[in-house]
Amino acid sequence: DAGVIQSPRHEVTEMGQEVTLRCKPISGHDYLFWYRQTMMRGLELLIYFNNNVPIDDSGMPEDRFSAKMPNASFSTLKIQPSEPRDSAVYFCASSLGAGVEKLFFGSGTQLSVL
Amino acid sequence: GENVEQHPSTLSVQEGDSAVIKCTYSDSASNYFPWYKQELGKRPQLIIDIRSNVGEKKDQRIAVTLNKTAKHFSLHITETQPEDSAVYFCAASKTDSSYKLIFGSGTRLLVRP
Repeated sequence: DAGVIQSPRHEVTEMGQEVTLRCKPISGHDYLFWYRQTMMRGLELLIYFNNNVPIDDSGMPEDRFSAKMPNASFSTLKIQPSEPRDSAVYFCASSLGAGVEKLFFGSGTQLSVL
Repeated sequence: GENVEQHPSTLSVQEGDSAVIKCTYSDSASNYFPWYKQELGKRPQLIIDIRSNVGEKKDQRIAVTLNKTAKHFSLHITETQPEDSAVYFCAASKTDSSYKLIFGSGTRLLVRP
């Protein structure tokens, strides 16, 4: 298995533009998590899904952020409109059956909003 | 909500020495405590975890201890090697009621050859 796959690896955009980050979890995993990592705030949970259903989105910073999981093998995190303070590394992670136990992280997307 | 504090923020040791990183958590209902290693520019990777019904767990050169009464848990790395240099994150979660994994702020470990 190739592990959790995220795209793009790097994204540079201008303030006000829409940004879409993509994630393919490990095949068979039923939990998917989106995390954001910054120097100031560390690793923060944004939202997680179980069997494609959003369970807890209380970490989503504001309405500009939205996430979807249309099927078991694909999820997106969208920021519209983007702002410079959204600059961070966004990680997707997945696990099987046990929620946060044995989380496997993707390589992350480095987002820079100018 | 849960809060996890991690110390020290940076740690420098000589190759072959031991390294200890400590974390405290606030929610006594937390029952799962993993440790992740993140090398520069890479993804966090699980290196060891412990559940609240166990006081200590060891895997080769790394070990984790848990003191539920004091709400402390620690990572111990023995016989450190340069490849152990990375940022280490502790985390805590209540796996029977929530799947939120709350991370500590991280410890940058440098092993000097």
